[in-house]
Amino acid sequence: DIQLTQSPSTLSASVGDRGTITCRASQNINSWLAWYQQKPGKPPKLLIYKASNLEDGVPSRFSGSGSETEFTLTISGLQPDDFATYYCQQNSNYPYTFGQGTKLEIK
Amino acid sequence: EVNLVESGGGLVQPGRSLRLSCLTSGFAFADYPMNWVRQTPGKGLEWIGFIRTKDFAGTTMYAPSVRGRFTISRDDSKNIVHLQMNSLRAEDTAVYYCTRDAHTGTSDVWGQGTTVTVSS
Repeated sequence: DIQLTQSPSTLSASVGDRGTITCRASQNINSWLAWYQQKPGKPPKLLIYKASNLEDGVPSRFSGSGSETEFTLTISGLQPDDFATYYCQQNSNYPYTFGQGTKLEIK
Repeated sequence: EVNLVESGGGLVQPGRSLRLSCLTSGFAFADYPMNWVRQTPGKGLEWIGFIRTKDFAGTTMYAPSVRGRFTISRDDSKNIVHLQMNSLRAEDTAVYYCTRDAHTGTSDVWGQGTTVTVSS
């Protein structure tokens, strides 16, 4: 199975800051990576697919980059609504796998 | 509005079976593959498997942890997808989500989830 390692596990930031989360894959997954946001008691919400494509309706302050084994989710100008947990998922090889999650908390 | 609603969760003893259902609405169900994903506090999110559309013979793929015990099926006439879970184990305890598969393996719509607890 492909392992995805997210860093950091917890990110403390303030409103207006730039938030950056990294996801590293244990092998080349080309651009087959998605990012999700999850709030307590809710299902995950798709933000980014194929590494850098913004899902419809997602604010443009969210962006994704990277390829092969290293990927980044960037949130430019954090808003109060952005404090949540973020997951990456690879859909290159079965079984599809998720990272362990990054909790973005208010500093 | 696109909507997915899971049902069928509950408390079940180890070794027993349970069938989850996911009723969908608001989109052309037959045109989409569907996934099941589960979440536990300890292991996080885990993709369980998916079922392709009829155009691809409705074939399925499963994670190794459930292969041979879980079966995904779909009824396009009723816009519903099922997850049959047999030989349940304590480690199958989780919130189970059905998701619509778009963009090749990406889940663009999620249900609210149904909780399965496997315990004696």
